[in-house]
Amino acid sequence: EAGVAQSPRYKIIEKRQSVAFWCNPISGHATLYWYQQILGQGPKLLIQFQNNGVVDDSQLPKDRFSAERLKGVDSTLKIQPAKLEDSAVYLCASSHGTGNTEAFFGQGTRLTVV
Amino acid sequence: QQPVQSPQAVILREGEDAVINCSSSKALYSVHWYRQKHGEAPVFLMILLKGGEQKGHEKISASFNEKKQQSSLYLTASQLSYSGTYFCGTEVSYDYKLSFGAGTTVTVRA
Repeated sequence: EAGVAQSPRYKIIEKRQSVAFWCNPISGHATLYWYQQILGQGPKLLIQFQNNGVVDDSQLPKDRFSAERLKGVDSTLKIQPAKLEDSAVYLCASSHGTGNTEAFFGQGTRLTVV
Repeated sequence: QQPVQSPQAVILREGEDAVINCSSSKALYSVHWYRQKHGEAPVFLMILLKGGEQKGHEKISASFNEKKQQSSLYLTASQLSYSGTYFCGTEVSYDYKLSFGAGTTVTVRA
């Protein structure tokens, strides 16, 4: 079974620029998560999708971050404009559903904002 | 709301035991445990559901105290491969958001 695919693996941008991350979840997984993990901290949930609907986006900075999951499969996370404090690893995860189901993580995208 | 983990860090010698705690102020539906090695993605260890079920993975086991909304992860006879950061993830009973604690860094030395 193929895992969660993310791209790019690394990205360096200047502040105020925009950036987009892509995630392809495991086939058949209805739930997709985007997490932000700052060095030395736990993953912080940014947004959780159930198919193509949003379950929770309460911690997504909506003035600069946006995410979509078209057709309930692939997802993109965008930051525009980026700030220095956005430097982090962005992890995508997917699971069959919610509750009592394991979440599988991708390798993440390491973003550095300079 | 994110769960609270303790301790922040543990240093062990091979063969020693350790306990990592995870607690929440909200009623939990499930607790997930993951281990993350430096530069890698978190890897699933186990899920516990409300009901106090105890599970195991190799010599790593966990329990869930529904009354206290607390879970504990037990590392028994630790091995060098147990080194990493352990995260608990929790789903509350009404929204199933998977939120993670700050993590506990475990270092096992020979």
